[in-house]
Amino acid sequence: GNSVTQMEGPVTLSEEAFLTINCTYTATGYPSLFWYVQYPGEGLQLLLKATKADDKGSNKGFEATYRKETTSFHLEKGSVQVSDSAVYFCALSDKSSYKLIFGSGTRLLVRP
Amino acid sequence: DGGITQSPKYLFRKEGQNVTLSCEQNLNHDAMYWYRQDPGQGLRLIYYSQIVNDFQKGDIAEGYSVSREKKESFPLTVTSAQKNPTAFYLCASSMGLADTQYFGPGTRLTVL
Repeated sequence: GNSVTQMEGPVTLSEEAFLTINCTYTATGYPSLFWYVQYPGEGLQLLLKATKADDKGSNKGFEATYRKETTSFHLEKGSVQVSDSAVYFCALSDKSSYKLIFGSGTRLLVRP
Repeated sequence: DGGITQSPKYLFRKEGQNVTLSCEQNLNHDAMYWYRQDPGQGLRLIYYSQIVNDFQKGDIAEGYSVSREKKESFPLTVTSAQKNPTAFYLCASSMGLADTQYFGPGTRLTVL
């Protein structure tokens, strides 16, 4: 079945460091891919998305490119801030069953 | 402001009691969803609804029930049959089943 695998956290970085959070997926067909962010005690916020191969989603300095050849959708940011500390979820949209399939989440901690 | 509201933010329940979680959206979305989140894990789908008066079981529907009498509202009842109900519950909505999902702030349920 379809699945999403994320790198385990926590990821701890200093402010202004470069961020990569790895996400790979298994899916039939051509799913849409998403990154959501969850701040402590809150719901999920859509960070960015890509709907077809080679699409790049971007928002608030974060980027991710839909790579079909490597079945990946890695999240990157050039310079993280303390306020980026949160849990990041990679997800795919299973068009056959219309549900989101989530990875287990990666906690990011940015230190001043 | 358009968005999704969930109430209450925190809910405490005694064992053997049913409890209902509220979810309301003013985004004019047709589809609504309920997810459960356990610590350190991704989200799992409980129920979803494509349209008023229609809903389908997700992956973990046992011990839960829903209704969809109005487009704006999709309440979730956690029944006494749910063996481990303590969790964070998230409601989401989308224009249609295959569209991007947007999440509410969540309700944290604790069974005492």
